[in-house]
Amino acid sequence: NAGVTQTPKFQVLKTGQSMTLQCAQDMNHNSMYWYRQDPGMGLRLIYYSASEGTTDKGEVPNGYNVSRLNKREFSLRLESAAPSQTSVYFCASRGDRPWEGANVLTFGAGSRLTVL
Amino acid sequence: AQSVTQPDIHITVSEGASLELRCNYSYGATPYLFWYVQSPGQGLQLLLKYFSGDTLVQGIKGFEAEFKRSQSSFNLRKPSVHWSDAAEYFCAVGIIQGAQKLVFGQGTRLTINP
Repeated sequence: NAGVTQTPKFQVLKTGQSMTLQCAQDMNHNSMYWYRQDPGMGLRLIYYSASEGTTDKGEVPNGYNVSRLNKREFSLRLESAAPSQTSVYFCASRGDRPWEGANVLTFGAGSRLTVL
Repeated sequence: AQSVTQPDIHITVSEGASLELRCNYSYGATPYLFWYVQSPGQGLQLLLKYFSGDTLVQGIKGFEAEFKRSQSSFNLRKPSVHWSDAAEYFCAVGIIQGAQKLVFGQGTRLTINP
C-alpha cells in the first residue's frame, strides 16, 4: 500500500534546464495537488487537478506546467528552471468519499530540487 | 482572502512539559481545519482534523486541538511532550474555491530540550 509516490527524491539542475517531477497514487483518488515548501512560508499550492482531465492554477503557478496523465498520475514540469524554484515539492491526493477520509490530503515524501 | 497564521516560528519546550501551538485562520465560511506534522526529511502526516460537532478534537500521538469560532483559532495542545515530538507543525484550513484545497500556515518548528 504505497500511497503517494514521488520521483525523483533529489535533483540538481542548472538555470535554464527543464525537468519533470512525477507523482503517482494508488488510492483511486480523484483530486491531486502539487505544493512547494520554502522556509518560513509553509506550503503553497502550485497546481491542482480535481479530476482526470482537469487542471487548475493554485497560488504560485508561474514557471510550472502540469499534466494529469490519468487518474493515478499527476506530473509537474519546469520548462526553464530558475534559482527561485529551488524548493521542496510535495505531491498530495485527496479522496472524495467519507470512507476515503474525504477532505484529508495524503502527501508524498517530497522531492528536493536545487537550481544552480 | 483566506489565510492561516501561526504566530510562533520556533518554540522550545522541555521534555515532559505541556505544549500549545497557536493557529488563527481567516475564512468566511465554516472551516475545515487540520494540523499536520513533518519530521525532518519527511512528508506531512495528519495529526487531527475538525469538520463539525465537538469543538475539542483528539488526534494521534496524544495531541488535541480546540476550535474556537469566536477567536478564529484552532490551537494544538499536548499535556506532556516527548523528545520524538520534535518536528515542524503546520495548521491548515480547507477551502472550497472551484475545488477543495488546503491553505497552510507558515509552520512552527518545535524543539525539545532533554
